[in-house]
This record gives sequence, C-alpha cells and structure tokens, in this order.
Amino acid sequence: KQEVTQIPAALSVPEGENLVLNCSFTDSAIYNLQWFRQDPGKGLTSLLLIQSSQREQTSGRLNASLDKSSGRSTLYIAASQPGDSATYLCAVPSYNTDKLIFGTGTRLQVFP
Amino acid sequence: ETGVTQTPRHLVMGMTNKKSLKCEQHLGHNAMYWYKQSAKKPLELMFVYNFKEQTENNSVPSRFSPECPNSSHLFLHLHTLQPEDSALYLCASSHGQRNTEAFFGQGTRLTVV
Repeated sequence: KQEVTQIPAALSVPEGENLVLNCSFTDSAIYNLQWFRQDPGKGLTSLLLIQSSQREQTSGRLNASLDKSSGRSTLYIAASQPGDSATYLCAVPSYNTDKLIFGTGTRLQVFP
Repeated sequence: ETGVTQTPRHLVMGMTNKKSLKCEQHLGHNAMYWYKQSAKKPLELMFVYNFKEQTENNSVPSRFSPECPNSSHLFLHLHTLQPEDSALYLCASSHGQRNTEAFFGQGTRLTVV
C-alpha cells in the first residue's frame, strides 16, 4: 500500500531564504509525482508534475526533483517571499486505481 | 481561475437538510473526482468518474450520493449528514490517465450543524 510522507510538517523562514521541502513515498512504482500549493481554506493549485522518467522539473523559482529508486522528491524554493506562505502537498497516483495519494503537507510561513 | 469551478464556496446545513455541491470543468477532461479534506488529515478520495461512469467509490457512506450527467459536470448530493462530515470538499479533474496532471477547484467549505 502506497504511503506518502512529508517532512517537515511546518516551516517558518525569513524572506529571501532558499528552502527545501521533502516528500517520501513507499512504493517506487509510480507514474508521476505532483506538487500542489494550498492557501488556507482554498483549493489546490498544481505547481509541478514530474513524470516517472524525469529527474526534475522547473517553474520559475520552483524546482522539483524525483528519485524513484529511493522513493523521494524534493521541492526547492529559491529566494522565498511572504507570498509563498501556504501549505505544500505532494501526491502520487495509486498504481492500480485512479486516485491520488497525498501526503499531509508542509505548512510554510515566510516572514518579512 | 483553475478551470474547475465549485459552488457554493461555503455551505451550512442542518442534519436533516438535503443539499447538493456542484463542480464544473472547462478543461476538456474525461475524469472527475470528489475529495474530502478534514482538519489535520490527508486528502481522502471519495469518488471517481471516468467518461460519466463511476469507477471508484472509496467506501463512502450512502448519505453522500454523487452524480455525473456528463464529463463536464459533477454533483455531490448530501442528505442526513453528521457533524463529523464537516470538511472542505474538493473537486478535481484530469484526462483520466494516470500520468496526467490533476486540477482542483477552490472547494466547498461544508459545516453540518
């Protein structure tokens, strides 16, 4: 059974810092891994999708890497800003169903 | 604007009420999903529809009844809910293949009193 874990659960950093969020999954037989952002009380915004054949994806200040063999993905945020404050979630599709399996998220606060 | 629209954004209902949540997607996707997000828990899948056919029911109580009249619209009919059903209900859509991206709506914050 696939399980997804995110560390740390919460993170508070000053503006301008580069930071890394971690996502681990127990079953390496994944199709892809997706990173989302969620603002309080709001829906999920897709940030990056990494296919299983890819090692990393970049979008602006965000860079996500994937190491299937070790069951890990990292989301790197460069030059963090207060507007980056949100909960960041990673998810992988279940191998034999249509559902996404989510981690519990990392709650990020970037203070000025 | 994510292309997936949910209404209403907020809903307060009594345990004897009947209400419906609506989701609409304009992305040309074939699969639509209902997820439940409770405080301090990971998102839980409730239902999946592919080409209007329900392909997954994740052991959801019958007081939640989904309806998918076409690939663009998804409803969640609610009746005789319990206070513990209070949560954020999120709709998502995708092309229905497991290597494609999922897009979510803004959610409906449901409070059962």
